[in-house]
Amino acid sequence: GDSVTQMEGPVTLSEEAFLTINCTYTATGYPSLFWYVQYPGEGLQLLLKATKADDKGSNKGFEATYRKETTSFHLEKGSVQVSDSAVYFCALNPNAGNNRKLIWGLGTSLAVNP
Amino acid sequence: NAGVTQTPKFQVLKTGQSMTLQCAQDMNHNSMYWYRQDPGMGLRLIYYSASEGTTDKGEVPNGYNVSRLNKREFSLRLESAAPSQTSVYFCASSVTGAAQPQHFGDGTRLSIL
Repeated sequence: GDSVTQMEGPVTLSEEAFLTINCTYTATGYPSLFWYVQYPGEGLQLLLKATKADDKGSNKGFEATYRKETTSFHLEKGSVQVSDSAVYFCALNPNAGNNRKLIWGLGTSLAVNP
Repeated sequence: NAGVTQTPKFQVLKTGQSMTLQCAQDMNHNSMYWYRQDPGMGLRLIYYSASEGTTDKGEVPNGYNVSRLNKREFSLRLESAAPSQTSVYFCASSVTGAAQPQHFGDGTRLSIL
């Protein structure tokens, strides 16, 4: 079945470091892909999305490219800030028929130290 | 500009008590969802409602019931709370369409003693 695998955390970086959080997926068909962010004590917020192969989603300095050949959607940011400390979730929607449910990764916790 | 509103934000129950978690959205979304979030488990779907008048089970429906009261409101009921239901519960909503993201409330933190 469809699935999402994220790199395990926690990830700890110094401010201004480069960030990569890996996400790979298994899906039949052509899923839509999402990254969500959850700040401490809050609900999840959509960070970015991509709906077809080679699309690049971007927001707040974060980017992720939908790579069908490697079934990946890795999240990157060139220079992280303390305020980026949060849990990041990769998710996919299988786009199969009437299925509107998201398939979620387990989340990757990021801590950025000043 | 409320989005998805969940009440209450915090609750402590005793084993065997019942409780209803409330969720309302003001974005005219068709689909609504209830998740639970536990450490190391990510998000797990309890129930969802693809449209007003319909509800379907998710991954972990046992011990829960839901009601889609109208297009705006989707409630989650614990009939007889158990310690295993201690969790953070999130409600979400979305427009119909596979590429549409889900919008989340701030969660209800529920402890069952």
